[in-house]
Amino acid sequence: SQTIHQWPATLVQPVGSPLSLECTVEGTSNPNLYWYRQAAGRGLQLLFYSVGIGQISSEVPQNLSASRPQDRQFILSSKKLLLSDSGFYLCAWRGTGQYGYTFGSGTRLTVV
Amino acid sequence: AQSVTQPDIHITVSEGASLELRCNYSYGATPYLFWYVQSPGQGLQLLLKYFSGDTLVQGIKGFEAEFKRSQSSFNLRKPSVHWSDAAEYFCAVGDYNYGQNFVFGPGTRLSVLP
Repeated sequence: SQTIHQWPATLVQPVGSPLSLECTVEGTSNPNLYWYRQAAGRGLQLLFYSVGIGQISSEVPQNLSASRPQDRQFILSSKKLLLSDSGFYLCAWRGTGQYGYTFGSGTRLTVV
Repeated sequence: AQSVTQPDIHITVSEGASLELRCNYSYGATPYLFWYVQSPGQGLQLLLKYFSGDTLVQGIKGFEAEFKRSQSSFNLRKPSVHWSDAAEYFCAVGDYNYGQNFVFGPGTRLSVLP
């Protein structure tokens, strides 16, 4: 069966520090992968999506970047965190021919 | 552009009472519609989805939703709410042929009184 792993679960980082959040999917190949951010009291905002290795599309300009070094690995990064980067980050995947997302358990990022 | 609205930011119901969460969408074609639930500090779990066919769809945890094309709505219902249903609920609309992403509503937070 397919599973999605996201870590860490929580992270507290100082302003200006780097960030790396990792997401991996098991049990499927060539998934579409997504990073969403959920700010406090707000809905989900799509940050990046990827349809294949090395293929990244950005939905909104921001301080973050994403990479897909392997088929089932999706990384969210920042060189220098801002206070406004705080939020709940969710990774999701969708298989070819599927119409719904499967979400990871999320990472709570607090920038201090 | 497609959009999803959930008019109720926060709803409080008593345990055992019925529940209806509203969702309205704007979409140029036949949409694929979803309801997700998010418990505090957790990821999102798919409750149910509608693609075509019977407009009343059954989901997990006793939830159901009805697609009404004339009203552009996809409301979520449950006949008797349990305390464990307290969570945030998101409606989403998508089209497999449209780009790669779905549009999520802003969410409705459900509180359940004992």
